[in-house]
Amino acid sequence: DSGVTQTPKHLITATGQRVTLRCSPRSGDLSVYWYQQSLDQGLQFLIQYYNGEERAKGNILERFSAQQFPDLHSELNLSSLELGDSALYFCASSVGTGGSSGEKLFFGSGTQLSVL
Amino acid sequence: DAKTTQPPSMDCAEGRAANLPCNHSTISGNEYVYWYRQIHSQGPQYIIHGLKNNETNEMASLIITEDRKSSTLILPHATLRDTAVYYCIVRLHTNAGKSTFGDGTTLTVKP
Repeated sequence: DSGVTQTPKHLITATGQRVTLRCSPRSGDLSVYWYQQSLDQGLQFLIQYYNGEERAKGNILERFSAQQFPDLHSELNLSSLELGDSALYFCASSVGTGGSSGEKLFFGSGTQLSVL
Repeated sequence: DAKTTQPPSMDCAEGRAANLPCNHSTISGNEYVYWYRQIHSQGPQYIIHGLKNNETNEMASLIITEDRKSSTLILPHATLRDTAVYYCIVRLHTNAGKSTFGDGTTLTVKP
């Protein structure tokens, strides 16, 4: 158990809909990262938050947005869903201090999104 | 961030050492080498990381060449549960999250 909690585990929805994925980081971790993993794209970095503020952005579509709340949990919002958005969505957390000894990421078990 | 190259697949006999190579010829002086693995569709799991010295923990050993252009992850006594996709990532420690994991190496441990 990594200590990172993601809900829901599975989500089935229709094209054009909007969904929200939730992530609770490990206790004490300030950074939260979102990744998308599809069969043809591998594991892609979407976005990172540190202590409530956006820190880094990857290949995140404009239809997707995220935020990190004061209690440090994070939500990934996916709107106007398309068939191609079907994927595993992972959240990871880290201490976030970026110390000289390196930064380990701890991943949740993911949310499997199916867009029909 | 430096690009990494890994073989797409490897086999290993159960109980033997598994040596997984990674090339990162464009690595810069302050970039770390990280290894993660992903078993089936579970979340990736951190294994080990290093900067220039060889590292060992309870899961594996990491050997980094002197010029830092390549590294090898060693699982000393592979078990069937070590069958997974292994990802080698090279990143600044402050950018540890800005990682596209690439295709990795699918390690299959056989009885």
